[in-house]
Amino acid sequence: NAGVMQNPRHLVRRRGQEARLRCSPMKGHSHVYWYRQLPEEGLKFMVYLQKENIIDESGMPKERFSAEFPKEGPSILRIQQVVRGDSAAYFCASSQGLAEINEQFFGPGTRLTVL
Amino acid sequence: KQEVTQIPAALSVPEGENLVLNCSFTDSAIYNLQWFRQDPGKGLTSLLLIQSSQREQTSGRLNASLDKSSGRSTLYIAASQPGDSATYLCAVYKAGTALIFGKGTTLSVSS
Repeated sequence: NAGVMQNPRHLVRRRGQEARLRCSPMKGHSHVYWYRQLPEEGLKFMVYLQKENIIDESGMPKERFSAEFPKEGPSILRIQQVVRGDSAAYFCASSQGLAEINEQFFGPGTRLTVL
Repeated sequence: KQEVTQIPAALSVPEGENLVLNCSFTDSAIYNLQWFRQDPGKGLTSLLLIQSSQREQTSGRLNASLDKSSGRSTLYIAASQPGDSATYLCAVYKAGTALIFGKGTTLSVSS
């Protein structure tokens, strides 16, 4: 049973380019969360999705960032016109979404470097 | 607004010592609390999850306790080993929201 998969593991972009980060949840999981870890800071929630629905995007910047979790295929976190401040590790987690348990399992992360 | 604090921020111990990592949270209305381990440049590994109705969970040399009323959790590591060196993260979950993390305790165990 494969765990949460993320790709690419490392991504380098120049300022102004687009970054696309992919996350495939664990088998049987329909809930996906994206978190960002900036250097020297803790993990911060960005967005929570179920299949074809954004449930909570309160942690995501209003501009340049978007996320989707289509009926088929992985969840995508998209960052348009990247800036140096977007350099961070982006982690995806998945869960079964059971209300009182909701144990989340994390992927290895995508480390984005903006030059 | 829920805030999670972990003390100490860093800890260095010799191999074989028993140690305690602390986590406190401001809003006691949580569903569960999870402890994670993160190795440098790596992802997060879930160590223990304590549901709100439970007071502790154990896995091998690890024991985590939860006191909702005081807003505290501790992670006890017995007979520490150099392989335990990592950053330990505490996170709380409240229904309808994602995990809220502390900044972690970075543990170094010397041989």
